Amino acid sequence: EVQLQQSGTVLARPGASVKMSCKASGYTFTSYWMHWVKQRPGQGLEWIGTIYPGNSDTSYNQKFKGKAKLTAVTSTSTAYMELSSLTNEDSAVYYCTREKRGFAYWGQGTLVTVST
Amino acid sequence: DIQMTQTTSSLSASLGDRVTISCSASQGISNYLNWYQQKQDGTVKLLIYYTSSVQLGVPSRFSGSGSGTDYSLTISNLEPEDIATYYCQQYSKLPWTFGGGTKLEIK
Repeated sequence: EVQLQQSGTVLARPGASVKMSCKASGYTFTSYWMHWVKQRPGQGLEWIGTIYPGNSDTSYNQKFKGKAKLTAVTSTSTAYMELSSLTNEDSAVYYCTREKRGFAYWGQGTLVTVST
Repeated sequence: DIQMTQTTSSLSASLGDRVTISCSASQGISNYLNWYQQKQDGTVKLLIYYTSSVQLGVPSRFSGSGSGTDYSLTISNLEPEDIATYYCQQYSKLPWTFGGGTKLEIK
C-alpha cells in the first residue's frame, strides 16, 4: 500500500526557513515523480513543483522559484521541501503527492503557520 | 499559465440528486484533466483522470466528460459522503493548475 507520511505542524517566524518531509512507503521511491501542493486557509490548491528522486531532477512553478527547494533522500525514501524567507503568505497546508495517472496518492499535509 | 475556472464556487443539492460541476480552461488542454475530491478534514482523493477515466475504487456514480476547454464532473444519486469540495486540474502544460474548487453541500 502506497503511503506518504508528512512531518508535523510548524510555527515559524517571518524571515525564517522551514524544511518539511514526506516519507514514502509501499513503492519504489526512485521511480515516481513526487509533487508538492500548497493550500492557503479557505483557498484552493496550487502546484509548487516536483522532483524525480531517481536522479533528483526538479521542475518548479515559476511562482515558487526562490521560495521552495525540493530534495529527496533515496536511502530513507523521503522527499523534502524547504521554504525560505517566510512571510504571512506562506502560511498554508503543504501536501506531497505522488503521480499515477493524476495525483493518486496524497500525504496528510503539513500545516505551516508564519507568525511573530 | 493555463487558468482553470470553476464558475460555481458552491452548490447545494438534495440526496439522490444528479449534480454536475463544471470547469473551463483558458486554452485547450486536450483532455488532460483530472478531478479531485477534498473532504473537510483535508483529505484529497483522485476521482477522475484524463477527463473520463474513473480511478480504481471510486464509486460508479462519479463520471467525467468534456473536451477542448470545457469539462464536467457528474455525480449521479448524491450520497451523504459526497459532501466535499471538488477541484479540476489540468496537466496539459506546466505549471499544472487547479480550478478554484466547488463546494458541494446538502440542501
